[in-house]
Amino acid sequence: DVKVTQSSRYLVKRTGEKVFLECVQDMDHENMFWYRQDPGLGLRLIYFSYDVKMKEKGDIPEGYSVSREKKERFSLILESASTNQTSMYLCASTPGTSGRGAKNIQYFGAGTRLSVL
Amino acid sequence: AQTVTQSQPEMSVQEAETVTLSCTYDTSESDYYLFWYKQPPSRQMILVIRQEAYKQQNATENRFSVNFQKAAKSFSLKISDSQLGDAAMYFCAYRGRAGTYKYIFGTGTRLKVLA
Repeated sequence: DVKVTQSSRYLVKRTGEKVFLECVQDMDHENMFWYRQDPGLGLRLIYFSYDVKMKEKGDIPEGYSVSREKKERFSLILESASTNQTSMYLCASTPGTSGRGAKNIQYFGAGTRLSVL
Repeated sequence: AQTVTQSQPEMSVQEAETVTLSCTYDTSESDYYLFWYKQPPSRQMILVIRQEAYKQQNATENRFSVNFQKAAKSFSLKISDSQLGDAAMYFCAYRGRAGTYKYIFGTGTRLKVLA
């Protein structure tokens, strides 16, 4: 089975702290994603990466950055955490984007619930 | 820009009954993919079912089936013989043609299953 692992289920941080959320997938997937999930807003894409060291902004990149130094690991960084970044963060990966079939399926981690005080 | 709309924030169904969750989307593309994802209270999101727009036949996975109406841009999920384990948030999602990385999710429908 594909496994997407997020390093923490729950995090509590202080305003202004630098926060790292880590995500690792074990199936050699090309693409990785970071989403933010808030009630009534669904999933909103923060950043995605289609290759090592490659990244593209999603819909809400402000206040976030990402790092992908190795294919299996995709990190989300909050440079200076703020209270409005309190949320559930979901990491996902997909095998690829070309062709049809299973390459389109997203596999998700269990999520990290971040509270910024 | 593409959008996905789930107009039912919450639904309830009696155990063993059938329920249909609605999803509509807007796109100018002719080739795309549609998905239903389930997020149980433990929060790990999993794929329930997917549909490729070029296929006219509705997808089916055991008790889960979709009603895909391409002209109406509608993609509803039917759950038959509902079970307590079906209680979850359900998200409808859209992805454009190959080479497009972005998935667009609806706001979700919380399904409650009553014993």
